[in-house]
Amino acid sequence: DTAVSQTPKYLVTQMGNDKSIKCEQNLGHDTMYWYKQDSKKFLKIMFSYNNKELIINETVPNRFSPKSPDKAHLNLHINSLELGDSAVYFCASSQIPSNSPLHFGNGTRLTVT
Amino acid sequence: EDQVTQSPEALRLQEGESSSLNCSYTVSGLRGLFWYRQDPGKGPEFLFTLYSAGEEKEKERLKATLTKKESFLHITAPKPEDSATYLCAVQGYAYSGAGSYQLTFGKGTKLSVIP
Repeated sequence: DTAVSQTPKYLVTQMGNDKSIKCEQNLGHDTMYWYKQDSKKFLKIMFSYNNKELIINETVPNRFSPKSPDKAHLNLHINSLELGDSAVYFCASSQIPSNSPLHFGNGTRLTVT
Repeated sequence: EDQVTQSPEALRLQEGESSSLNCSYTVSGLRGLFWYRQDPGKGPEFLFTLYSAGEEKEKERLKATLTKKESFLHITAPKPEDSATYLCAVQGYAYSGAGSYQLTFGKGTKLSVIP
């Protein structure tokens, strides 16, 4: 069974559109994350979320919003897509304590044309 | 601000040729240093966590070591299936909220093992 799964794997869309990426984890973890991996391959945190608290990286545009219907899901909604949003987006989860390792999904490659 | 620098950026080895990957870091107190392996088109896969200087962890042909300034990932007699990008990340004591502390990733070392 896949521990952290995200869909779709590839997403091609035009500028100005709104899109969502879904993420589910079956590890029973308390905290979920969204990371962005740009063309330079750096992984940067976008959001951290548990059932009590959402933390937003201050550099993330407010066009990006995480939505969590329950503890096992953290979806990413993006409004008014821009060319610069093209990247690979990874969902991850971890258990408490917070220095437990992250478990990543296989990524969603978003291409904005 | 925490920083992670990995070297070399790319490394080509012949099968069986042992070598080491370096991860240099600066952090305001180390909660943990993590090594991940990332295959093309996949998410990073957890390998090791090191918590304090002097600690070592091993898994098959991989051995990770830690000092106060850097970590090494030693690869002994590598095989072609060890080809991947190896990522290093450090977690310091800067609290991010939501039960998590700031995790900073390096750019990675792309390892190619030639048969």
